[in-house]
This record gives sequence, C-alpha cells and structure tokens, in this order.
Amino acid sequence: AQTVTQSQPEMSVQEAETVTLSCTYDTSESDYYLFWYKQPPSRQMILVIRQEAYKQQNATENRFSVNFQKAAKSFSLKISDSQLGDAAMYFCAYRSASGLNQASGTYKYIFGTGTRLKVLA
Amino acid sequence: NAGVMQNPRHLVRRRGQEARLRCSPMKGHSHVYWYRQLPEEGLKFMVYLQKENIIDESGMPKERFSAEFPKEGPSILRIQQVVRGDSAAYFCASSPKGRTDTQYFGPGTRLTVL
Repeated sequence: AQTVTQSQPEMSVQEAETVTLSCTYDTSESDYYLFWYKQPPSRQMILVIRQEAYKQQNATENRFSVNFQKAAKSFSLKISDSQLGDAAMYFCAYRSASGLNQASGTYKYIFGTGTRLKVLA
Repeated sequence: NAGVMQNPRHLVRRRGQEARLRCSPMKGHSHVYWYRQLPEEGLKFMVYLQKENIIDESGMPKERFSAEFPKEGPSILRIQQVVRGDSAAYFCASSPKGRTDTQYFGPGTRLTVL
C-alpha cells in the first residue's frame, strides 16, 4: 500500500523569505501523480501544484515550485517570497495513475498528515 | 463556473441521530469522491461514486455509513446513529468524466456530534 509522510508538523518563515516543505512517499508503482494542497483556516482545499511522475521536469506555479526526486521518492514544495496569505496547512498527496483497475480507475488520493506553515511579518 | 458545493457547512447532531451531507459537483463533473478529515490529520478517502454507481467504497466504515450519487441531484453521504467519533470534517471532491487525474474539492462540512 502507498504511504505519504510529512515529517514537519510545523514550519515558520519570515515574510519575503523562502521555505521548503518536505514530503516523502512509498510506492511500488512507476506511474502516479503527486500534489500539494493548501488548506487555509477556511478549510477549503486549494490545489497548489501537481507533478506527473513520468515527467522529469519539476513543476512550477508562480512562487511555488517542487523538487521531485523519483528515485528517492521525495517531493518537496518550495515557496519563494513568502506572503502572509501563504499561512495555512499544506498537504502532500499521492494518486496512482492506474487505480483499482483500468476500467473503473479509483484514483483515490492518499494524503500526508500536513505541515502547518506560519508566516512571520 | 461554480465550484464544488457542500451543504451544510456546519452540522450539529446528538448521538444516535442521522447526519446527511450533500455535495453538488462542479458543472460537467460526473465523478464524486468523499473524504474524511479528523482533527490534526490529513484527509482519508472514503468512497468514489459515479452517477448511480458506487465504484470504490473501500474507505467507508462497514456499518452506519452509506453514500449515493443519483441520476438527478447531489451526492449524499449519510451517517446513521452518529457517535462522537464521527465528529470530523467531510470533504467532497469531483472530477470531470474522462479526466480523473485532478480532483477539485468543496469547502467541507464540519460535523459535530454532541
């Protein structure tokens, strides 16, 4: 079974600085997707960035980028020029590309336990 | 384009009552997923449905929990005879037909069992 581990329960960063959130996962599959979701106090789950395992290039979305190390099964999120609005829980998630079977394709997400990011003014 | 909608946002029930949580997927989306988030934990998959079909319910407790996604209307997650341990945030997500790689989440329903 696949697992996702976020070993940092809480992180702090000074406004305008850069912070990296760690995520490791375990799987025997070769094809999958990885995601970072942001959950602010409103509890809405907001997709930050996604990565396809077959792509070697690291995904980027504005100030957010990932360091995807497939062999090491590591998927860290880097936030540059941190802003007060970045303060939230951040969840790493894994999704198989194959699912239960090709016909039905469950595609369920497996989430880590989250990292609470605090941004200091 | 409205996002995934869930109601109610907050639901309070006494032990033994029934809880009904509703989820309207994004327009054009035919896949619905339910997740549960206990305090200080990540989201845990419960069930995956398509219209009138339960595809994968491997994360659903065997008793008291049921889900449906009828041909017309929202998806319903039903919890019978609630207990305090059911207190959690319940999230619904949807994805479009033929494109299940990314799920779009609703704002969640926070269930409190007294």
